[in-house]
Amino acid sequence: AQSVTQPDIHITVSEGASLELRCNYSYGATPYLFWYVQSPGQGLQLLLKYFSGDTLVQGIKGFEAEFKRSQSSFNLRKPSVHWSDAAEYFCAVGAGFQKLVFGTGTRLLVSP
Amino acid sequence: DAGVIQSPRHEVTEMGQEVTLRCKPISGHNSLFWYRQTMMRGLELLIYFNNNVPIDDSGMPEDRFSAKMPNASFSTLKIQPSEPRDSAVYFCASSPLGTSTDTQYFGPGTRLTVL
Repeated sequence: AQSVTQPDIHITVSEGASLELRCNYSYGATPYLFWYVQSPGQGLQLLLKYFSGDTLVQGIKGFEAEFKRSQSSFNLRKPSVHWSDAAEYFCAVGAGFQKLVFGTGTRLLVSP
Repeated sequence: DAGVIQSPRHEVTEMGQEVTLRCKPISGHNSLFWYRQTMMRGLELLIYFNNNVPIDDSGMPEDRFSAKMPNASFSTLKIQPSEPRDSAVYFCASSPLGTSTDTQYFGPGTRLTVL
């Protein structure tokens, strides 16, 4: 069965520092991979997605993610974090027709 | 576009009562999803519709839960009778094309508390 692991429950990063959020997936075929962000009290918003082509994917708000098949990973990165990036981040894998399986999320805290 | 609209935003009810959550997807979107988010279980897909037809309801926890989509612009998720363990945030999402790589657009959620 498809699954997604986000090993970090919380991460604290200083404003202006770089960020990397980890995501590992389990899927038999070529996966469709997504990163969503959830701000407090709001629904999820898509940051970026990968389903083929260039393994380095650019998203909104300055985020990028790299698909590494050999490591079954799809880590999210940002070179310089802003206070407004504080939120919860979810990695997801496409699990068949239209279904998404979400990871448990990583809560990002940004310190001044 | 107004985005996905959910109502109510907050619902507090007593155990045994019927609860109805409502969702208006983005106009023109073909697919609609209902999710439940809890601290213990994370974000779970309950059911999804394609062109108003339920495609997969394997995530619906039990017979107390039912969902309908009578037309392309409206869906309901009903819990009858409600129980305290149903307390969660329920999200509705819609997607335009109904494909596996499609972006899902989430509503703001309904926070349900069952006392």
